[in-house]
Amino acid sequence: SQKIEQNSEALNIQEGKTATLTCNYTNYSPAYLQWYRQDPGRGPVFLLLIRENEKEKRKERLKVTFDTTLKQSLFHITASQPADSATYLCAPIMNTDKLIFGTGTRLQVFP
Amino acid sequence: DSGVTQTPKHLITATGQRVTLRCSPRSGDLSVYWYQQSLDQGLQFLIQYYNGEERAKGNILERFSAQQFPDLHSELNLSSLELGDSALYFCASSVRDSLENSPLHFGNGTRLTVT
Repeated sequence: SQKIEQNSEALNIQEGKTATLTCNYTNYSPAYLQWYRQDPGRGPVFLLLIRENEKEKRKERLKVTFDTTLKQSLFHITASQPADSATYLCAPIMNTDKLIFGTGTRLQVFP
Repeated sequence: DSGVTQTPKHLITATGQRVTLRCSPRSGDLSVYWYQQSLDQGLQFLIQYYNGEERAKGNILERFSAQQFPDLHSELNLSSLELGDSALYFCASSVRDSLENSPLHFGNGTRLTVT
């Protein structure tokens, strides 16, 4: 069955460092992938979309890569700030009618 | 503010009861999605509507049903409630039925507590 895996353990990093979050998927071939941010008690907020023919996408301090051979996407936040602390969700998309999310990785940036 | 409105914000009810959750999508969005998020699970896709028609179904229980009305607002009906139905229920909307160029915009959810 289709599976999306994100690090279940929280990622703790120091302010100013680069945070790297991983999203692995198995048993399907998504045409594109979305990343969302979710704060406690709030709905997810869309951050970035990357297509299978794009190796890398950037938006301000965010960078996403998409390796269809490894079946993996990496999400990077450079010069991280405490305000970046949140849970980050990936959603590889094959069937355009559904958006299935990974369980998310909680990022904690400390001063 | 995403522009997606969900009511009520909180709902406390007893087992066996029936509740209705309401969602108003962003202005201009035709697609509505419903998700359930429990403490020990991630976001679980329930169902999607596009312009009044059901488009996709996820792991939605038979006790749950939804619809999208002509004015595009949507309602999620949960019946014969069980303790395990306690969760955050999110509604999201998008412009089109394809997610490629139309990401989801989420409301802030309805927190359902079944006692």
